[in-house]
Amino acid sequence: EVQVVESGGDLVQTGGSLRLSCAASGFSFSSYWMSWVRQAPGKGLEWVATTKEDGSEKYYVDSVKGRFTISRDNAKNSLYLQMNSLTDVDTAVYYCVTGRWTMGVWGQGTTVTVSS
Amino acid sequence: DVVMTQSPLSLPVTLGQPASISCRSSQSLVHSDGNTYLNWFQQRPGQSPRRLIYRVSNRDSGVPDRFSGSGSGTDFTLTISRVEAEDVGVYYCMQGTHWPPLTFGGGTKVEIK
Repeated sequence: EVQVVESGGDLVQTGGSLRLSCAASGFSFSSYWMSWVRQAPGKGLEWVATTKEDGSEKYYVDSVKGRFTISRDNAKNSLYLQMNSLTDVDTAVYYCVTGRWTMGVWGQGTTVTVSS
Repeated sequence: DVVMTQSPLSLPVTLGQPASISCRSSQSLVHSDGNTYLNWFQQRPGQSPRRLIYRVSNRDSGVPDRFSGSGSGTDFTLTISRVEAEDVGVYYCMQGTHWPPLTFGGGTKVEIK
């Protein structure tokens, strides 16, 4: 079964950092672009970042550029999102998603709450 | 950036009746490779989003055939031929033709009258 499972969400203070992880299974992880999408409380979906199969290309929404870093470890079938300089607007459920435009498989999400 | 506009915001539907959701893009979603990268997602209450339709009209495995996608250029529609109780939730369109960024519509909430 194709599956992605996020972890690492937590309550963090404004200006703090957090690293999210996504464990993939049931498919050839190293052959897939991978993405992070977030959803603020009561709001819609917002694309955050995407990385190419080998990690050589990375793309970000403007609001997180310079603060967030997407990375992957294909040997561990894992995707990561390092988040620095967090503010309250980053409060959201963060989803790990397979693909770039495909967005075929979504995890259950991990919750990040930024509070002063 | 491509802006995706969905309507209506809320859609009350009678069980067994059809429902249609519109999604309009601020520019044509036809890619230079000839494909149109427009997907539809369903998010049931308390659940993660799930892809229903990819590239305008291709239904995902396991998605009931009462769901269909259509459209071209800048105008797209998700149709539910006969709404069932399990269809309650929020539906999003998303474009992947002109990226970054990938952009989603604001969502349409389907509820039972």
